[in-house]
Amino acid sequence: GESVGLHLPTLSVQEGDNSIINCAYSNSASDYFIWYKQESGKGPQFIIDIRSNMDKRQGQRVTVLLNKTVKHLSLQIAATQPGDSAVYFCAENTGGFKTIFGAGTRLFVKA
Amino acid sequence: NAGVTQTPKFRVLKTGQSMTLLCAQDMNHEYMYWYRQDPGMGLRLIHYSVGEGTTAKGEVPDGYNVSRLKKQNFLLGLESAAPSQTSVYFCASSYNSEAFFGQGTRLTVV
Repeated sequence: GESVGLHLPTLSVQEGDNSIINCAYSNSASDYFIWYKQESGKGPQFIIDIRSNMDKRQGQRVTVLLNKTVKHLSLQIAATQPGDSAVYFCAENTGGFKTIFGAGTRLFVKA
Repeated sequence: NAGVTQTPKFRVLKTGQSMTLLCAQDMNHEYMYWYRQDPGMGLRLIHYSVGEGTTAKGEVPDGYNVSRLKKQNFLLGLESAAPSQTSVYFCASSYNSEAFFGQGTRLTVV
C-alpha cells in the first residue's frame, strides 16, 4: 500500500472539480485491489475494486486505474461533492484473507 | 439489517486490566477480521477467522487473543492491557475479498 508515515497525505479540491487520489503498492504478487472510504467516526466502506487482469474499472462517479508496470493505483472521483470528504485507503490482496491497507489520503472538498 | 456491530464503542482501561471486544455480523459471512487503526497509519490486521471454530494470526497479533465459537461472533480479548494498545479497533466480515466494517471501538489504556 501507500508508504506509511506520521502524517496523512492531504488533497484539497474545489467542489465540482475532479479528484485523483494515488497509491503505490509494494507487492507485485497482489492480484486484487480495493478502495475504501472512511468518514470521521465510522468504519471503512467499500468503494470500488479491480483485479490485476484489468487496468481500468468504472463505477458511479468513480474510476480506478491500475498500472502494474509501476505498481500504481489511482482513484478518480468526478464532480467532487462535500460528501466525498473523507480518508481514502487503497488496499491490496495477494489472495487468501490478508488484505494490506495503505496509510490513507485525506480528501477535503471546499464549497 | 444491522451488518457488523461492535460493542462497546468506547472504553478506558487501566494498564494490566483485561477486556473483551465483541463483534457480531448478521450477513452469514464465513470470514471475520480484527484490525487496529492508529493515527497516520492504515488498518493493521490483528487476527482473523475463516470459519466457525478457526482463528489465525495477522500482522500484529501479540497481546491479543480471539475466539470464534459461533459463526456470527468474533471476540477479541486483551488479557493484560498496555498503553501501546490504545487504538481504534475495527471488526470486519466478508464472503469474498470485499470486507464490511463495524463502526469501531475506541480503546484508551492509561
